[in-house]
Amino acid sequence: QVQLQESGPGLVKPSQTLSLTCTLFDISVTSGGYYWTWIRQHAGGGLEWMGHFYYGGSTYYNPSLESRITLSADTSKNQFSLKVTSVTAADTAVYYCARIPRLGYCTGISCLAPDYWGQGTLVTVSS
Amino acid sequence: DIQLTQSPSFLSASVGDRVTITCRASQGISSYLAWYHQKPGKAPKLLVYAASTLQSGVPSRFSGSGSGTEFTLTISSLQPEDFATYYCQHLNSYFLTFGGGTKVEIK
Repeated sequence: QVQLQESGPGLVKPSQTLSLTCTLFDISVTSGGYYWTWIRQHAGGGLEWMGHFYYGGSTYYNPSLESRITLSADTSKNQFSLKVTSVTAADTAVYYCARIPRLGYCTGISCLAPDYWGQGTLVTVSS
Repeated sequence: DIQLTQSPSFLSASVGDRVTITCRASQGISSYLAWYHQKPGKAPKLLVYAASTLQSGVPSRFSGSGSGTEFTLTISSLQPEDFATYYCQHLNSYFLTFGGGTKVEIK
């Protein structure tokens, strides 16, 4: 059963770097048939895509966040991670990691739609 | 970049009602549209992908239709567990976007 699990500090000080990890179970981050993505949600708000990548390929970022975020994979731990620099209170949100089947690799499953999600982790930016 | 506009943003309905939510894309996106619902404190759950394909395990009272720029999600008979916020979503390989959401509440 594919599972994703976010982890990281729940509290980050303003101007510091937010770092989160998504650990994968029953699927490898090196599976080229999937994008791996981070999506966040502010309290009472909608869903905001932050970026996604596929192993060995390209990484795409939300232009509104591109200057501050980095996505990367750690194959030894079967994880991928998110770093957001220079955080402010506006980065306080629930952060989700998710899997997205890529076009051409998604027969019988959801092409280009996140199908497995982590449970989400709340990150608060406050001094 | 493509924008997705959902309507209505809020909907009040009763158990057993037929409910329809619309998602309009700012340009044609073929059938690359998905629908989710989300309950408080939970991650979004995929209901429909490729505009009209029901995700495995999703009840048949949910259905999706549309292509190009206009899409709908229909719940044929609203159940108590369906009261939630619904989102549409599109990914064109390099940019992923969600609609603003439709909150379905009990009348």
